[in-house]
Amino acid sequence: GQQVMQIPQYQHVQEGEDFTTYCNSSTTLSNIQWYKQRPGGHPVFLIQLVKSGEVKKQKRLTFQFGEAKKNSSLHITATQTTDVGTYFCAGRPIGTYKYIFGTGTRLKVLA
Amino acid sequence: DTGVSQNPRHKITKRGQNVTFRCDPISEHNRLYWYRQTLGQGPEFLTYFQNEAQLEKSRLLSDRFSAERPKGSFSTLEIQRTEQGDSAMYLCASTFSTGGARYGYTFGSGTRLTVV
Repeated sequence: GQQVMQIPQYQHVQEGEDFTTYCNSSTTLSNIQWYKQRPGGHPVFLIQLVKSGEVKKQKRLTFQFGEAKKNSSLHITATQTTDVGTYFCAGRPIGTYKYIFGTGTRLKVLA
Repeated sequence: DTGVSQNPRHKITKRGQNVTFRCDPISEHNRLYWYRQTLGQGPEFLTYFQNEAQLEKSRLLSDRFSAERPKGSFSTLEIQRTEQGDSAMYLCASTFSTGGARYGYTFGSGTRLTVV
């Protein structure tokens, strides 16, 4: 079946260090979305990428969609304690309107 | 509109009982999704509606699960003869789309089900 994997599963960083999570799909995607889930909370939409090779930035966050539309990454520059949470990618396989969520990367930021 | 509303927030039930959850999406949204999330995992797709039509259902959803969205407004998810493995957070999400799914989901706060 269709799967979306993320690495790493966990990441602990010192405040001010950079962080990257990688997302890989077993099938080609129409588009990909990223969500952040704080401990005890629900996923909150961050961004959507649609085009092959697309790069989008939101302040300290940089999102990339791979050329083959099967992988994506999220990079956070100079992490802050407010960045703590689990980051999920969610890919929409071609021909469907559902999103398959990745396994998530849990980020802890040490002050 | 205050977003996607789910109730109850928590449900504890005995194995074998039936439970029903409700989701009220954002009123302008035409698509409604149900996901299930267990601790440490990503949300797992269960089913989705476009207006009142249920368009896709996961193979993971056994015959004990049923969902409805009468009149394309709120939705209910019913689990019959609950099992301990059904214990999870059940998340509802809604979005608006006129073709491809162009916008992110807005999730509700979820219903946490514990089957004892």
